[in-house]
Order: sequence, then C-alpha cells, then structure tokens
Amino acid sequence: RKEVEQDPGPFNVPEGATVAFNCTYSNSASQSFFWYRQDCRKEPKLLMSVYSSGNEDGRFTAQLNRASQYISLLIRDSKLSDSATYLCVVNTGTASKLTFGTGTRLQVTL
Amino acid sequence: NAGVTQTPKFRILKIGQSMTLQCTQDMNHNYMYWYRQDPGMGLKLIYYSVGAGITDKGEVPNGYNVSRSTTEDFPLRLELAAPSQTSVYFCASRSIGANVLTFGAGSRLTVL
Repeated sequence: RKEVEQDPGPFNVPEGATVAFNCTYSNSASQSFFWYRQDCRKEPKLLMSVYSSGNEDGRFTAQLNRASQYISLLIRDSKLSDSATYLCVVNTGTASKLTFGTGTRLQVTL
Repeated sequence: NAGVTQTPKFRILKIGQSMTLQCTQDMNHNYMYWYRQDPGMGLKLIYYSVGAGITDKGEVPNGYNVSRSTTEDFPLRLELAAPSQTSVYFCASRSIGANVLTFGAGSRLTVL
C-alpha cells in the first residue's frame, strides 16, 4: 500500500460547482497534513494545512479523519482559476520528511 | 527575497554524462530537499539535509549524490546520466519547526 494515495482524476466540473477530493495515508503515526496546489509545469505551493478540527480558508475546507486515516479538501463555488493538480502531503514525523501523493487533477470549465 | 533558486532551468544530457543541479536558498532554512517528479506522478524524495554537513537518502537516491557544505547551498550531482533520470527536479527548503516547504521553480532534465 502506498504511503499516501489519491484519486488521480481528472475531475471535470463546471464553474460554480462544489468538488471534493480525498486522500488516504497508511502510517497511523503521521503528524501533519497539508494540501499543496501545483499548476501545470510549475512548482507546488502550499494551499492549506489540515488541522484535526477541520479548517476553512475562503472557498476551501480541509478535514482530517484520523480514525479512517484520510484527509479531504472541499472546494466550493469553483473558479476557472482553480484548475490545477492538488497534492496531498503527509509528514510522518520521521526525519522531517514530507511524503507527497500523486495528486488529483481538477479541471474547471465554463 | 529570492527564496529558493535552481539552475539550470532546462538541460539535455547524453547518456553517461554527468552534471550538477544547483540549489540555493537565502532564507537561512536548515532543511533542504531534492525531489523528482515524473510525468503524471507525485514528487519522490531523492536526498535531504537537516543542516550543513548532514545529508541523508530519501526514497530514490540511486544515481545521485549531494553535499551540503553551507546552509545556503544543496547541489545535486548526477553521475553517468541514464534515460530513467529524465524528470523535473525540484529543490525545496523549510525552517526548523515549520512544515511548509518553499520550492524552487524546477529544473527540467532530459537524458537522451
């Protein structure tokens, strides 16, 4: 089983739609969780951290379910500019390494 | 504030050649990382460093070497380039106690 797994997509949604991505992780000792965004042929950039109680940043909501070992990202009122690949990132706490999922590609259309 | 700077941005190598990808950060970050990203795939950790003089292997270290003589610089050396090393290479850094990675813009390497 991969350490971090994501559905690669693509998720094709119309502008204004709500879309959700899940990510599962295998190491129950994982301590920190993040969503990064990567535009085509660009470097990844932090979108948001994921906290145990769930957190929101504008149209984006992240949640963590430790019992089931998954994190989620919900995007409301999708914009064309949200089109990107969303990378799930997990810190297992071992030597400060962050493990990346393969990413979920989102395409928002008119 | 330049952040993380990688050079070169693009490079084509012949099989068996060697080269060094340069990475410099000006944020005084202790931790530095090299990742590779193959098409349609996630980032795989090649090597990382927790401070000057300290390096360690990541998930896919074979065919690569690194050094960390200063806090700012973390070069990645490819010896005897192979087609399997065709990829986009990202250098990243972060400070102690922070989990957020700052990435360079990437170096696109093709081995023919």
